[in-house]
Amino acid sequence: NAGVMQNPRHLVRRRGQEARLRCSPVKGHSHVYWYRQLPEEGLKFMVYLQKENIIDESGMPKERFSAEFPKEGPSILRIQQVVRGDSAAYFCASSPRDGFRGGQETQYFGPGTRLLVL
Amino acid sequence: DQQVKQNSPSLSVQEGRISILNCDYTNSMFDYFLWYKKYPAEGPTFLISISSIKDKNEDGRFTVFLNKSAKHLSLHIVPSQPGDSAVYFCAAVDPGYALNFGKGTSLLVTP
Repeated sequence: NAGVMQNPRHLVRRRGQEARLRCSPVKGHSHVYWYRQLPEEGLKFMVYLQKENIIDESGMPKERFSAEFPKEGPSILRIQQVVRGDSAAYFCASSPRDGFRGGQETQYFGPGTRLLVL
Repeated sequence: DQQVKQNSPSLSVQEGRISILNCDYTNSMFDYFLWYKKYPAEGPTFLISISSIKDKNEDGRFTVFLNKSAKHLSLHIVPSQPGDSAVYFCAAVDPGYALNFGKGTSLLVTP
């Protein structure tokens, strides 16, 4: 009964390189959310995806960041031309369906990918 | 713009006593609240939640209280155990689905 899987757990990149973060949701979950946690901060919502669709990317920087959740395979968060300020922990969460209507659903988190930009 | 605030960065409690973690929010549109527990190098783990139509929800040693008029909620852990030592995040759901997190309170339960 695997939970949310994220890889790599740690990623080191130099400024200007690309970072690719992967997230495999809980089996049967079709909704994926990405959050970023900067040092000494809480988690900040970035993007919400369903299979093959971006539902809400209002929390994601307009440039250099993109996300996808293809029909097959994991969700990918891609950061192009990384800068030092991108250093953070990136968490993926999944849920069986969106929202919290009736209080029946919750988001289950993966262990995170810690990105360090040198 | 921090809409969910946890004003105590840390809390130390003796084993067996009650731990009370507090959370304030500013957005009156929030209608669902959750507490997550997080150990170092792990993702947040869901602990307990409460809908805005309730003022209390209890699950074993954990109870969450919601005061809508004060825009305040609290998590009570009783009795506290050393294994409860972790960072606790309060989160609120806007009318959609995004979780709005506080900065967390680090709880230390001493034997």
